Amino acid sequence: NAGVTQTPKFQVLKTGQSMTLQCAQDMNHNSMYWYRQDPGMGLRLIYYSASEGTTDKGEVPNGYNVSRLNKREFSLRLESAAPSQTSVYFCASREAGSYYEQYFGPGTRLTVT
Amino acid sequence: QKEVEQNSGPLSVPEGAIASLNCTYSDRGSQSFFWYRQYSGKSPELIMSIYSNGDKEDGRFTAQLNKASQYVSLLIRDSQPSDSATYLCAVSLTGGGNKLTFGTGTQLKVEL
Repeated sequence: NAGVTQTPKFQVLKTGQSMTLQCAQDMNHNSMYWYRQDPGMGLRLIYYSASEGTTDKGEVPNGYNVSRLNKREFSLRLESAAPSQTSVYFCASREAGSYYEQYFGPGTRLTVT
Repeated sequence: QKEVEQNSGPLSVPEGAIASLNCTYSDRGSQSFFWYRQYSGKSPELIMSIYSNGDKEDGRFTAQLNKASQYVSLLIRDSQPSDSATYLCAVSLTGGGNKLTFGTGTQLKVEL
């Protein structure tokens, strides 16, 4: 099993450009998450999907959109990138319910110039 | 008050010593607690989960949970330089649905 995979690993965008970050998991998990991590800020939840067909905003959703394409895949889209979106983005998945662990993908390092 | 709080460190311990990492949380109804290790430039890796009061041991790691005092700790015995990383505490808060709330992490440095 590959676990949680993310593409791309690195990306440089110019301000105003758009892009989609892809995430897939092969653990048959119901819930999937997108986080950003900035120095001193910890992990901040952008959006999550508790189950296929549902998505909800997290702590910092502005400037982002998500699509839960199917049970395996959860994508994050930046419609018009801004320098403030320079960050490391992590996707994670988890089985539904409080007692289940969350597993992370390797991350995407995004720079917006 | 933050929902999950950790001392940012760095916490420096000599090789072979016990490292003690602490985390407090605000929601008394929280049910599950996790410790993640994150090396610089890498993604968080789950190392321990704990759900009941008391201690849970796994190799050199021991997680301790005290729900009455609302804290969870991680002890690392016989610390090695390879344990140098940032340790993140995560809590499943009441009403948080399927979300985990993370602390900002404690940086651990194990010195030779």
